[in-house]
Amino acid sequence: GENVEQHPSTLSVQEGDSAVIKCTYSDSASNYFPWYKQELGKRPQLIIDIRSNVGEKKDQRIAVTLNKTAKHFSLHITETQPEDSAVYFCAAGGTTSGTYKYIFGTGTRLKVLA
Amino acid sequence: EAGVAQSPRYKIIEKRQSVAFWCNPISGHATLYWYQQILGQGPKLLIQFQNNGVVDDSQLPKDRFSAERLKGVDSTLKIQPAKLEDSAVYLCASRPRQGATGELFFGEGSRLTVL
Repeated sequence: GENVEQHPSTLSVQEGDSAVIKCTYSDSASNYFPWYKQELGKRPQLIIDIRSNVGEKKDQRIAVTLNKTAKHFSLHITETQPEDSAVYFCAAGGTTSGTYKYIFGTGTRLKVLA
Repeated sequence: EAGVAQSPRYKIIEKRQSVAFWCNPISGHATLYWYQQILGQGPKLLIQFQNNGVVDDSQLPKDRFSAERLKGVDSTLKIQPAKLEDSAVYLCASRPRQGATGELFFGEGSRLTVL
């Protein structure tokens, strides 16, 4: 079945350093790749997304890259700040059996050390 | 714009008891999802509605879980009888319509603890 693998499961970085989280998807029909940030006890919130016709997208300190051939996409956070500490989820969206589905990765707990 | 509303936020029950969760999606959103998020894992789809019809319930444990969206707006998710492994956060999410790419809007979730 469809699957999204996410690595690493935990990541600790010093404030000001960069953080990179990687995901791999299996379904070639996937065409939408969002990243969600979830703070403790809060709802997941979209921070950036990319569609399959784009290779890279940037929004201030965050960027996402997509390699459709390898079925890889990555989240890059530069100049990390303590408020970036949270769990980050990648997802792959696509139509399977006539239904548009989102498959989520297992999450990465990011800790930014002051 | 009001977000996705869920209640209750927290529920503690004993195994074999029943529980129901309620979700009110963003106004005008035709597609509604229920996800189960076990601690330390990503959200797992339980059921997806388009208006008041089910479009995917392949991962719903139908022997104990049920869900409905009778008027195409609010939805309820019921568990009866609950098992220990049902302890999780139940997230409701909505989107404007089926078939188009775009953001999923999540509610705050309902945290279930089964003792």
